[in-house]
Amino acid sequence: QKEVEQNSGPLSVPEGAIASLNCTYSDRGSQSFFWYRQYSGKSPELIMFIYSNGDKEDGRFTAQLNKASQYVSLLIRDSQPSDSATYLCAVNQNTGRRALTFGSGTRLQVQP
Amino acid sequence: EAGVAQSPRYKIIEKRQSVAFWCNPISGHATLYWYQQILGQGPKLLIQFQNNGVVDDSQLPKDRFSAERLKGVDSTLKIQPAKLEDSAVYLCASSLSSSHEAFFGQGTRLTVV
Repeated sequence: QKEVEQNSGPLSVPEGAIASLNCTYSDRGSQSFFWYRQYSGKSPELIMFIYSNGDKEDGRFTAQLNKASQYVSLLIRDSQPSDSATYLCAVNQNTGRRALTFGSGTRLQVQP
Repeated sequence: EAGVAQSPRYKIIEKRQSVAFWCNPISGHATLYWYQQILGQGPKLLIQFQNNGVVDDSQLPKDRFSAERLKGVDSTLKIQPAKLEDSAVYLCASSLSSSHEAFFGQGTRLTVV
């Protein structure tokens, strides 16, 4: 079982729709959860992080965390073609000083 | 604030040759990471430093890869000898600590032919 799993996609949504990206993780000790966006040929850039169960909103982005289900998601409202990228989920176990473990990413395509 | 600096941006070498990558983290960031990202995959940790000490190098192929972070600032990653399967983007990242978000440099795209 992979430590962090994501559907590779592509996930295709029309412009203006809500894009929902999902991620599951295997380590129950994971404490911090991050979403990175990676454009083709570029390096990952941080979009959001979440530490507590529930929702966290930042502009058009909402991160959702359910530690009991070991599930974290990213919602993108009013999707724009510029949101087309690969979205990487990363988790971190605060204890033990482990580095971020990344999923393989979900490719999102927003159709104009 | 300056970001994570990496060089070179691109490198093409023949198999069995050696190569070195350099990284300068964000000022004040104690934690530095080297990740390998193969096309179509997520970044995979190679080594993690806390200041000038190694925290985790469990996934570093130590027969051919080495890394150092002398003085706890800049870091170099070396591959000797390179194999075809080492073709990837090598990403350096830094963070205030291991529990904070990591910021990535632009990466070095290595092609081994």
